Amino acid sequence: DAMVIQNPRYQVTQFGKPVTLSCSQTLNHNVMYWYQQKSSQAPKLLFHYYDKDFNNEADTPDNFQSRRPNTSFCFLDIRSPGLGDAAMYLCATSRDHAHEQFFGPGTRLTVL
Amino acid sequence: TQLLEQSPQFLSIQEGENLTVYCNSSSVFSSLQWYRQEPGEGPVLLVTVVTGGEVKKLKRLTFQFGDARKDSSLHITAAQPGDTGLYLCAGTGTYKYIFGTGTRLKVLA
Repeated sequence: DAMVIQNPRYQVTQFGKPVTLSCSQTLNHNVMYWYQQKSSQAPKLLFHYYDKDFNNEADTPDNFQSRRPNTSFCFLDIRSPGLGDAAMYLCATSRDHAHEQFFGPGTRLTVL
Repeated sequence: TQLLEQSPQFLSIQEGENLTVYCNSSSVFSSLQWYRQEPGEGPVLLVTVVTGGEVKKLKRLTFQFGDARKDSSLHITAAQPGDTGLYLCAGTGTYKYIFGTGTRLKVLA
């Protein structure tokens, strides 16, 4: 089945220790998104790639970076996680900006 | 700024009851999606509505897109505990994908 996969499902890191979350898709979609979601709130968009074009949201902290080495994979790098970065991180894909998004199962990040 | 307001924010009902969740905006959306998210999981797409006035049914769930494409509703008939979750509407706005504020539903057995 075509899908969006996120690894790991649960990640524990220490305050200030860099961490990378990964996302892969078999949908061959052009757009890949990273969202942060806290306690039953709506997902908050961090950034997205349309093909290789990177689009950062204005209020995304510099601490958050992303890489998309190819169509299938996209990574979220948190350079120096703070306690406030503990959240669910969701990856999503869409065919293009005008189409619905399909989400992965998420990675729950804990910062100690 | 385009916003999608959902109501109610929280809803706790008994199994077998009916409910309606609303998603409202002052802006026009070219399409609108409804997602359900269970704890610890990503949102799962339930439906996409595109045409003003469109009604779609998914088993006990009925989705409607407003005539002016500014609002939508989700009606659940005879709710079951398995319907428990966070319901999110989302739409393709002028510049970006907009999520609603969310409705947390709990169905008690």
